[in-house]
Amino acid sequence: DGGITQSPKYLFRKEGQNVTLSCEQNLNHDAMYWYRQDPGQGLRLIYYSQIVNDFQKGDIAEGYSVSREKKESFPLTVTSAQKNPTAFYLCASSTGGFGNTEAFFGQGTRLTVV
Amino acid sequence: RKEVEQDPGPFNVPEGATVAFNCTYSNSASQSFFWYRQDCRKEPKLLMSVYSSGNEDGRFTAQLNRASQYISLLIRDSKLSDSATYLCVARPSGNTPLVFGKGTRLSVIA
Repeated sequence: DGGITQSPKYLFRKEGQNVTLSCEQNLNHDAMYWYRQDPGQGLRLIYYSQIVNDFQKGDIAEGYSVSREKKESFPLTVTSAQKNPTAFYLCASSTGGFGNTEAFFGQGTRLTVV
Repeated sequence: RKEVEQDPGPFNVPEGATVAFNCTYSNSASQSFFWYRQDCRKEPKLLMSVYSSGNEDGRFTAQLNRASQYISLLIRDSKLSDSATYLCVARPSGNTPLVFGKGTRLSVIA
């Protein structure tokens, strides 16, 4: 089946540790995105990539890093510099073209700092 | 500056009721608009795109008013299964990321 796979579904991190969230898509989409959602809040853009080997900061990039070495993969690293990392992280992809192109989401990773 | 604004609700309606949500967007250059549905602790899923001429999908009708910069979603004959958070979404221009509103929570009551 085509889709976006995020792993793990749940992740616990000790303070001061870096963790990497995986996002893989087999939809042949050019564009990929990472959003963060806090309880009762909307989705806020962390990073996005419109093409392999290129990515841009979103609204809340501080404390995060990404890479886009392959079209189908866009991992997100939550670094120790991120002061409040507990949140629901959502990866999405779209065809990346102009026009009325929607985004498709993975099932999300729920990160908790312990 | 909030780019996409929605009434957070909650809207509590009985089964069979008609309910309408509105949302406003601040970027007049926005090109594409969508409504997503998000169930509790799940990922958002596309409900429908919003076209300039308005569009309907079963019990759901979406409208776009570019002059006033607002988007609406009408749900007729509400079902218990419609209970969810509805996210209003705009794509500012061209090949840019989607911008999400905070969502409007709907509870349909038996």
